[in-house]
Amino acid sequence: QLMESGGGLVQPGGSLRLSCAASGFTFSHYWMSWVRQAPGKGLEWVANVRQDGSEKYYADSVKGRFTISRDNAKNSVYLQLNSLRAEDTALYYCARDYSSSRHWFDPWGQGTQVTVSS
Amino acid sequence: EIVMTQSPATLSVSPGDRATLSCRASQTISNSLAWYQQKPGQAPRLLMYDASTRATGVPARFSGSGSGTEFTLTISSLQSEDFAAYFCQQYSIWPPLTFGGGTKVQLK
Repeated sequence: QLMESGGGLVQPGGSLRLSCAASGFTFSHYWMSWVRQAPGKGLEWVANVRQDGSEKYYADSVKGRFTISRDNAKNSVYLQLNSLRAEDTALYYCARDYSSSRHWFDPWGQGTQVTVSS
Repeated sequence: EIVMTQSPATLSVSPGDRATLSCRASQTISNSLAWYQQKPGQAPRLLMYDASTRATGVPARFSGSGSGTEFTLTISSLQSEDFAAYFCQQYSIWPPLTFGGGTKVQLK
């Protein structure tokens, strides 16, 4: 099970930190991803992180503004969102990657809403 | 970046009908394709991976096929609970991991 938190309303240029708490599996064995969905739109992969945190990858749309991290002792993955823009408004899902070489997503959390507006 | 294109955007069908959803990759991805189902207000649910392997608990009326650049998700006999949006995703060449724009299966 995955449970996201930390979303909210923020002004353009502002920051937020999203959290995702995992349970029911050995968290430290899996890559983890964030995927977002703008209102009425499709799915966009945002970032993922390797089991030990040594590798991190980002979509071009967020590179340099967002940072993914994890704490295996707390079974949690995080997404720091900086320099937020209106186009970052979306429901942000946390998801588990299947394996190191096969990156489909299962399961997914229920999502946390981020709204960027003045 | 591999661009995934789904068609049609909307599919209007009746219960009991066969539904065929398409997904095309901008370059070859072997069989590195997953399908997800998303109902309104819910998170996506994994249906299929490796193009044709059903995820745990997915009914047999769902089947996937294809390799290379052309893929298909078929629902053999639509049930009421199958009306939803469906997304394909490639994991062959990344970053980025990319999704198709989705197909909404709606009641005719």
